[in-house]
Amino acid sequence: DQQVKQNSPSLSVQEGRISILNCDYTNSMFDYFLWYKKYPAEGPTFLISISSIKDKNEDGRFTVFLNKSAKHLSLHIVPSQPGDSAVYFCAASGGTGANSKLTFGKGITLSVRP
Amino acid sequence: KAGVTQTPRYLIKTRGQQVTLSCSPISGHRSVSWYQQTPGQGLQFLFEYFSETQRNKGNFPGRFSGRQFSNSRSEMNVSTLELGDSALYLCASSVGWGNEQFFGPGTRLTVL
Repeated sequence: DQQVKQNSPSLSVQEGRISILNCDYTNSMFDYFLWYKKYPAEGPTFLISISSIKDKNEDGRFTVFLNKSAKHLSLHIVPSQPGDSAVYFCAASGGTGANSKLTFGKGITLSVRP
Repeated sequence: KAGVTQTPRYLIKTRGQQVTLSCSPISGHRSVSWYQQTPGQGLQFLFEYFSETQRNKGNFPGRFSGRQFSNSRSEMNVSTLELGDSALYLCASSVGWGNEQFFGPGTRLTVL
């Protein structure tokens, strides 16, 4: 049972445009959400996070939106740059015990075309 | 501050052998988590250690085990290797509960 779902395996966007990466979750115990970016042959790099007490968090070109009622979050990258081409993972955690670990989605491969 | 380091970076083993991977967390981080990444499966959680105790465990067979030392360094061991164990094994460290995890570059394990 996949608790964090990234249903689109890939996304292609023109440079300068907005990239919107979506993520859905099923576990209502999750209260902390993160996005990671991964280049080939490297470990994932933390991008941005959001707590369930917020519905938006912004950091430069990156904004994460959280819709708790829909159990949905999205990462917006504006403007998209070729260097943003990578695999993006959504992750979630919450509570204690088994839920405290990070649960990752399968990732979305973003390609930004020059 | 030095990042998370993992050794070795690449490893080739044959079926039936065992392997030990090592992870040194960021200084001051007491939590170390291990993940397996295979194509199309994302990051699958193996286990997490905090202050030398296993705090969480994923759904992997008993052939996968780990431990953490008093200096927070961690090792994971896979015994009786199978072809399906070929993957990128990632280690991540964090300060504690609910914090961002910082990943190492991973160990690429190939089982022939």
